[in-house]
Amino acid sequence: DVKVTQSSRYLVKRTGEKVFLECVQDMDHENMFWYRQDPGLGLRLIYFSYDVKMKEKGDIPEGYSVSREKKERFSLILESASTNQTSMYLCASNKPDGTGELFFGEGSRLTVL
Amino acid sequence: AQSVAQPEDQVNVAEGNPLTVKCTYSVSGNPYLFWYVQYPNRGLQFLLKYITGDNLVKGSYGFEAEFNKSQTSFHLKKPSALVSDSALYFCAVRDRGQGSARQLTFGSGTQLTVLP
Repeated sequence: DVKVTQSSRYLVKRTGEKVFLECVQDMDHENMFWYRQDPGLGLRLIYFSYDVKMKEKGDIPEGYSVSREKKERFSLILESASTNQTSMYLCASNKPDGTGELFFGEGSRLTVL
Repeated sequence: AQSVAQPEDQVNVAEGNPLTVKCTYSVSGNPYLFWYVQYPNRGLQFLLKYITGDNLVKGSYGFEAEFNKSQTSFHLKKPSALVSDSALYFCAVRDRGQGSARQLTFGSGTQLTVLP
């Protein structure tokens, strides 16, 4: 069964802490994505990566960075967490030559105090 | 630019009744259209997609959706709702002219509640 795995389902951090959210996929997908989900706002794209070491900003990249050192792994980094980054974070992947259908992880719910 | 509208934040329906969750879209070219479902504290699960061909698309769990090009709509339907269908539903669109690396655009979501 194909999978996108997010290592942390629930995290509680304090303002100013550095936060790492990890995502691994086993489908050999070139594209990987980080979304943020907030009530009433749907899913908003933070960053995506179309190859190892390649990344592009999405719609709301401010306050975030990403790392993709290996094809299967895509990390989201909050350099200095703030309370307005309390949210559900969703990782997804797909192949570049398909219809765009995304495969999602289970999500990481981050609370910043 | 591409966009998706889900005009209803909340839809309530009695168990056994038909359900409809509405979605309209805007793309400059031809669309790929998707429906995803999300259960509480879970990721999004794929339900169905429209690529080409028959305007009526059948998906998982008895759901179907009808692509209507003239009305730019892709409403999700099910003939008989179950309490277990209660979840958050997202519609998404991608312009076929764009590479998939530039990803889908999602609607804001519709919370479906099926009442026993």
